[in-house]
Amino acid sequence: KNEVEQSPQNLTAQEGEFITINCSYSVGISALHWLQQHPGGGIVSLFMLSSGKKKHGRLIATINIQEKHSSLHITASHPRDSAVYICAVKNTDKLIFGTGTRLQVFP
Amino acid sequence: DTGVSQNPRHKITKRGQNVTFRCDPISEHNRLYWYRQTLGQGPEFLTYFQNEAQLEKSRLLSDRFSAERPKGSFSTLEIQRTEQGDSAMYLCASSLDTFYGYTFGSGTRLTVV
Repeated sequence: KNEVEQSPQNLTAQEGEFITINCSYSVGISALHWLQQHPGGGIVSLFMLSSGKKKHGRLIATINIQEKHSSLHITASHPRDSAVYICAVKNTDKLIFGTGTRLQVFP
Repeated sequence: DTGVSQNPRHKITKRGQNVTFRCDPISEHNRLYWYRQTLGQGPEFLTYFQNEAQLEKSRLLSDRFSAERPKGSFSTLEIQRTEQGDSAMYLCASSLDTFYGYTFGSGTRLTVV
C-alpha cells in the first residue's frame, strides 16, 4: 500500500464544474503539498498546508490532520486547469508523492 | 533569478553510456533535492543536500548513481553505465530550509535506448 493515496486517478469534467481531488496518507507529516504538473514535466507548487484551509483564486485546499486526509477543490473549472495534480507529504526532510490525479476539463 | 534550472531538458543515450545532469537552484536556497519520475507515477526521492552536504540517499540510488553539490550552489547527478530502467524524468527542487515550500525545475527527461 502506498504511503500517499490519491483519488480519483483520472477525472474528466465540463467547464464550470466543481472538482474535488482527495489525498490520504499513512505516515507522520510536517506538511502537505498540492502540486500541479503539466505535460512536459514542470511542477508548480499550489499549496503547502499543515492545518486547516487555504484558498488561492479558484483553488481551495483543506487538511484534516486527525483523519490524515486532504482535499483540493477547484471551483468553476476551466480547460486551462487540465493537468496532473499531485499530493505530496513532507516526511522528515523529503517529500513522499502520490501518483497524481489526471484532470481534463472540456469546454 | 528565474527559478530552478535543469539541463539538459532531454537526453537520449545508448545503454551503457554515462550521463550527467545539472541543476541550478534558486540562489538563496540551501536545500536541493533530486527526484525521479517514471511514466504514470509520482516522483520518488533520490537524494538531497543541505548546502554542500549530502544528507540522505534513497535505496533507489544504486552504486551507478552519484550526486554532488560541490560549492553548495549547483548540483550534478551522474548515472554510470545507463540501463533502460533508468529512463525517467529526473526532477530537481530547492527550498530555503525545511520550513518553506519547494520550487521545482522543469526536469531532465532521460531515454536510454
